[in-house]
Amino acid sequence: GQSLEQPSEVTAVEGAIVQINCTYQTSGFYGLSWYQQHDGGAPTFLSYNALDGLEETGRFSSFLSRSDSYGYLLLQELQMKDSASYFCAVEGRGSTLGRLYFGRGTQLTVWP
Amino acid sequence: EAGVAQSPRYKIIEKRQSVAFWCNPISGHATLYWYQQILGQGPKLLIQFQNNGVVDDSQLPKDRFSAERLKGVDSTLKIQPAKLEDSAVYLCASSLGTGVNTDTQYFGPGTRLTVL
Repeated sequence: GQSLEQPSEVTAVEGAIVQINCTYQTSGFYGLSWYQQHDGGAPTFLSYNALDGLEETGRFSSFLSRSDSYGYLLLQELQMKDSASYFCAVEGRGSTLGRLYFGRGTQLTVWP
Repeated sequence: EAGVAQSPRYKIIEKRQSVAFWCNPISGHATLYWYQQILGQGPKLLIQFQNNGVVDDSQLPKDRFSAERLKGVDSTLKIQPAKLEDSAVYLCASSLGTGVNTDTQYFGPGTRLTVL
């Protein structure tokens, strides 16, 4: 099975840097994804790690360490509009390729 | 490029009633997913289609839930009869579905179902 753990809430101020951690227990997976979801909105893809290491996309970076069963999403230069829920998700492999298993999400609140 | 369309956006029904949701994926996307997102939780996959065939419906409560994608394009998800615990947002997502490597999933706005 697949199990993912994330902090339920994180707060930070505008301009700061915040890291949202994700630890997982899986029976095998293809990659780790991160999605953003504003209240009442659709989940939106942010970043994906198939290999260990850091992936950078603008203000957002994501990291994966398979040996530590750990990943994180790093948000820099925080803006008010970054207030949202952030989900990590592992993608199954083999017969479950494409299937995403989501964590419970981390609610990020950015204060002015 | 148009995104994933879903309707209705909101639905309120009483328990034991039936309800249906509709999804139109991004044009050209072969893979379509239905997720259930209960308040405060992450989306949970209910069913995955590749064109008009079911790839994975292991998490679908088949005694009350059904889904179809007859022509390999749009899809409907039905609940019959609904229970209180079915109150959730039902999200549809689509991806290219090349099967070669992982594809980004694009989500629709969802249908918020309230069962009274």
